[in-house]
Amino acid sequence: KAGVTQTPRYLIKTRGQQVTLSCSPISGHRSVSWYQQTPGQGLQFLFEYFSETQRNKGNFPGRFSGRQFSNSRSEMNVSTLELGDSALYLCASSLDSLVYEQYFGPGTRLTVT
Amino acid sequence: DAKTTQPTSMDCAEGRAANLPCNHSTISGNEYVYWYRQIHSQGPQYIIHGLKNNETNEMASLIITEDRKSSTLILPHATLRDTAVYYCIVRDGGTSYGKLTFGQGTILTVHP
Repeated sequence: KAGVTQTPRYLIKTRGQQVTLSCSPISGHRSVSWYQQTPGQGLQFLFEYFSETQRNKGNFPGRFSGRQFSNSRSEMNVSTLELGDSALYLCASSLDSLVYEQYFGPGTRLTVT
Repeated sequence: DAKTTQPTSMDCAEGRAANLPCNHSTISGNEYVYWYRQIHSQGPQYIIHGLKNNETNEMASLIITEDRKSSTLILPHATLRDTAVYYCIVRDGGTSYGKLTFGQGTILTVHP
């Protein structure tokens, strides 16, 4: 079974621009969660989608948003990029939102200059 | 979600068992214990999880104390490829909706 895929793997953007990252979950998984990883803050939860509905959200500003499509693929968007948004963005998929284990993708490395 | 405490770092000789402890003294009845690991620059990898009983899979064993206030992840025969950051996570099975709260984890270094 194919794993979680994320595109692009690397991205360089300029302050003020916006960016869209994509995540394709494992086939049959309906829950997709997004995380941000930085050296200073570690791994932090952004939000989770299940059956196209956002069911949980972390403590991030409204510049961070996401959506999920009917095929469970998910995108996250960051508008008005700031230098501090430079990070590894990880998505994880799961059979459901609660108990089942999450499987992570390789991440998208975003650099904001 | 309950807070977890792990040692900052541990060493292990290749071929030996690696025993990684985790304290979660404020865990509540509906909270599960999960273990993940992250090898440098890769996404975290699921290892194992449990609620009350000890669990074993092809990667590791999870031992949860009877009072559930602590647990130990056991890698029975550590290899160099097991060098990684190991995260112990406590997660509410009823309300967490996709959220895993990662702490600083334990840096496990396996030596030849």
